[in-house]
Amino acid sequence: AQSVTQLGSHVSVSEGALVLLRCNYSSSVPPYLFWYVQYPNQGLQLLLKYTTGATLVKGINGFEAEFKKSETSFHLTKPSAHMSDAAEYFCAVRPGGTSYGKLTFGQGTILTVHP
Amino acid sequence: NAGVTQTPKFQVLKTGQSMTLQCAQDMNHEYMSWYRQDPGMGLRLIHYSVGAGITDQGEVPNGYNVSRSTTEDFPLRLLSAAPSQTSVYFCASSLDSNQPQHFGDGTRLSIL
Repeated sequence: AQSVTQLGSHVSVSEGALVLLRCNYSSSVPPYLFWYVQYPNQGLQLLLKYTTGATLVKGINGFEAEFKKSETSFHLTKPSAHMSDAAEYFCAVRPGGTSYGKLTFGQGTILTVHP
Repeated sequence: NAGVTQTPKFQVLKTGQSMTLQCAQDMNHEYMSWYRQDPGMGLRLIHYSVGAGITDQGEVPNGYNVSRSTTEDFPLRLLSAAPSQTSVYFCASSLDSNQPQHFGDGTRLSIL
């Protein structure tokens, strides 16, 4: 079984400030972890993914996330927020190393960026 | 490159009506999935397919049917629509098990 918890359904930051979106997971096997972004009235777009190897992964639009096994976390960060980052963000987990693993999503975090 | 195409984009149904949501991908992806998105609940998996002729249930399959006669298409059928099925439905596909999924733009469905 696997699950994802995103801490904070809404996060508000000022333009230029640090963005930190929290994600904790549970998985009975080594996980593959993903962050997706959803802009209004659109589908989900992949920001970044962790499968194996380096635990700090860099994605598009200046975002990065660090896989911390001991903390079962995969928090998403960006050093300086931009107005265009306003969107809903989803963390997701699936079993690693399987032929096809079901993707389980967190509840989502809406990011608001103030001028 | 069209990616994942969902039709229709919007639909209003009456309780008890049936309907098919269409999903097509032109990337020769083996894996396809249907999700529903409800406020505060993220995306929940309805059904998925690992290849033509093979489908399986996800987390919330009741009230929905799927089939996969071709690699490209993965339609979702609502047999008898209920207000609880009001949601935004997303179709997704991926090349193989280690690749992230590509999502369509969604179908917004309202059941009155």
